[in-house]
Amino acid sequence: AQTVTQSQPEMSVQEAETVTLSCTYDTSESDYYLFWYKQPPSRQMILVIRQEAYKQQNATENRFSVNFQKAAKSFSLKISDSQLGDAAMYFCAYRSSSNDYKLSFGAGTTVTVRA
Amino acid sequence: NAGVMQNPRHLVRRRGQEARLRCSPMKGHSHVYWYRQLPEEGLKFMVYLQKENIIDESGMPKERFSAEFPKEGPSILRIQQVVRGDSAAYFCASSPRAAQRELFFGEGSRLTVL
Repeated sequence: AQTVTQSQPEMSVQEAETVTLSCTYDTSESDYYLFWYKQPPSRQMILVIRQEAYKQQNATENRFSVNFQKAAKSFSLKISDSQLGDAAMYFCAYRSSSNDYKLSFGAGTTVTVRA
Repeated sequence: NAGVMQNPRHLVRRRGQEARLRCSPMKGHSHVYWYRQLPEEGLKFMVYLQKENIIDESGMPKERFSAEFPKEGPSILRIQQVVRGDSAAYFCASSPRAAQRELFFGEGSRLTVL
């Protein structure tokens, strides 16, 4: 089974500043997908960004970008120009390309944004 | 286009009672997945269903838990004789077809066992 580790239970960021959330994973596969999900207080799971392992280019979605280091099995999320609405729990998730309906989630990082 | 609908949003049961959680997938989606989120943890896969078929239930506890996705109507996750350890948020996700595995999540059902 794949293991996804988020070593930061909580992170705090000043509004308009940048915060980086770390995620590492353990796998023996070469083809897989990585995700960051946002879970606000409403508890809805919202897909923030997705990265295919075969792509070398880091994914970017507006203010959200990732730093994907395949050899190091690292997948960090950077939130730029943080906004109050970014406050949420963020989960890193892994999905194999061969068993592609099972997401393995990390324990999550709670992000608070200071006004 | 309505998203994945789950109900109830909150359910309180006493130990030994039954809990039924319902999930209506997005329109046009025929694949349903249930995940459980225990307090302070990430979501964990429970079961994958297509219409009238259980494809993978490897994440389901061996006893008391069952799931179905009938030809008509929502998917049901059923927990019999609930215990306090069943208290969790249960999330349903759906996808349109096997070849497209983008999962769309519902808002979850929070079960509290007294």
